[in-house]
Amino acid sequence: RKEVEQDPGPFNVPEGATVAFNCTYSNSASQSFFWYRQDCRKEPKLLMSVYSSGNEDGRFTAQLNRASQYISLLIRDSKLSDSATYLCVVRHGGYQKVTFGTGTKLQVIP
Amino acid sequence: DGGITQSPKYLFRKEGQNVTLSCEQNLNHDAMYWYRQDPGQGLRLIYYSQIVNDFQKGDIAEGYSVSREKKESFPLTVTSAQKNPTAFYLCASSILSGTDSTEAFFGQGTRLTVV
Repeated sequence: RKEVEQDPGPFNVPEGATVAFNCTYSNSASQSFFWYRQDCRKEPKLLMSVYSSGNEDGRFTAQLNRASQYISLLIRDSKLSDSATYLCVVRHGGYQKVTFGTGTKLQVIP
Repeated sequence: DGGITQSPKYLFRKEGQNVTLSCEQNLNHDAMYWYRQDPGQGLRLIYYSQIVNDFQKGDIAEGYSVSREKKESFPLTVTSAQKNPTAFYLCASSILSGTDSTEAFFGQGTRLTVV
């Protein structure tokens, strides 16, 4: 089983739609969780950290479910500019290694 | 401004040659990482380092080598033993902390092409 797994997509959604991505992780000792955004041919950039209590930043909401070992990202009122690949990132306890998921591609359609 | 810098942005290599990709950070981060990304795929970890003079193999270390002689620098050498070196290479750094959630910062990447 991969350490971090994501549905690769692509998710094709119309403007204004709500879309959700899930990411599962295998190491129960994982300590920190993030969502990154990567535009085509660019480096990944932090979108938001994921806190145990869940957190929201404008149209974006991140949730963590430690019991089921997954994190989620919800995007409301999708914009064309949201089109990108969204990477799930997990930091593990112990040796503090950062592991990236393979990413979920989102395409918002006019 | 603090940040992480990779150079060069584009690199062309002939088959059989070794090449070294530069990664420098002035963020005072302890940990540094090298990833490889192939078209349409996610990031795969090549090597990582948590402290000067120490580094660990990632998932796809074969054909690559690294050094960490200074905290700020983590160069990656792509050797002739790497069979499919054409890819987008990303360097990242992060703070090591037992309790805090700290993000990884990325350089802008080096696009390596074997000709």
